[in-house]
Amino acid sequence: DAEITQSPRHKITETGRQVTLACHQTWNHNNMFWYRQDLGHGLRLIHYSYGVHDTNKGEVSDGYSVSRSNTEDLPLTLESAASSQTSVYFCASSTGTGAGELFFGEGSRLTVL
Amino acid sequence: GEDVEQSLFLSVREGDSSVINCTYTDSSSTYLYWYKQEPGAGLQLLTYIFSNMDMKQDQRLTVLLNKKDKHLSLRIADTQTGDSAIYFCAEKIYGGSQGNLIFGKGTKLSVKP
Repeated sequence: DAEITQSPRHKITETGRQVTLACHQTWNHNNMFWYRQDLGHGLRLIHYSYGVHDTNKGEVSDGYSVSRSNTEDLPLTLESAASSQTSVYFCASSTGTGAGELFFGEGSRLTVL
Repeated sequence: GEDVEQSLFLSVREGDSSVINCTYTDSSSTYLYWYKQEPGAGLQLLTYIFSNMDMKQDQRLTVLLNKKDKHLSLRIADTQTGDSAIYFCAEKIYGGSQGNLIFGKGTKLSVKP
């Protein structure tokens, strides 16, 4: 069955370190998204991609970067982790056509000390 | 800018009906969605409605759309303890920095036995 997986599911890191969260989907979807979920803020869009080599900034992109070298993967990199980036991160993908249902990963909980 | 508003909490008794409300601002929305998030998991699409519809029913779920007031509601009949979760309203927009969907902050539904 097609799926979308995130790794690691839990990570603790220190301020200033570089962190990469992986996202891999086997739906063959063109569109991929990264959100962060925080209490009181709901889901906020970080970056998104509509296809290979396409990346776009979302609402809260500062301090984050993504790259899309193939259809299946959209890794999210925190260049220099800050305590404000402690959050739960969700990757999602969609076809982008019709209703464009988003399929979400299980989430990656990141703690920055 | 685009915004989706929903109340943060709802508590009901098992067997009662639950009604979760949402308001949105983008009159050009084509699809409106309800996603469900269970503890420790990603979001899953519960149901969606196309903007030219007023109502959609799917087993215990009824979605009502009032385009004039930009109001969307989700009614869960015979609410069960397994329905306890966070419910997100979302609208589909095109372009801008929001990518694919705009999400509300989520309504946490608690079902008491």
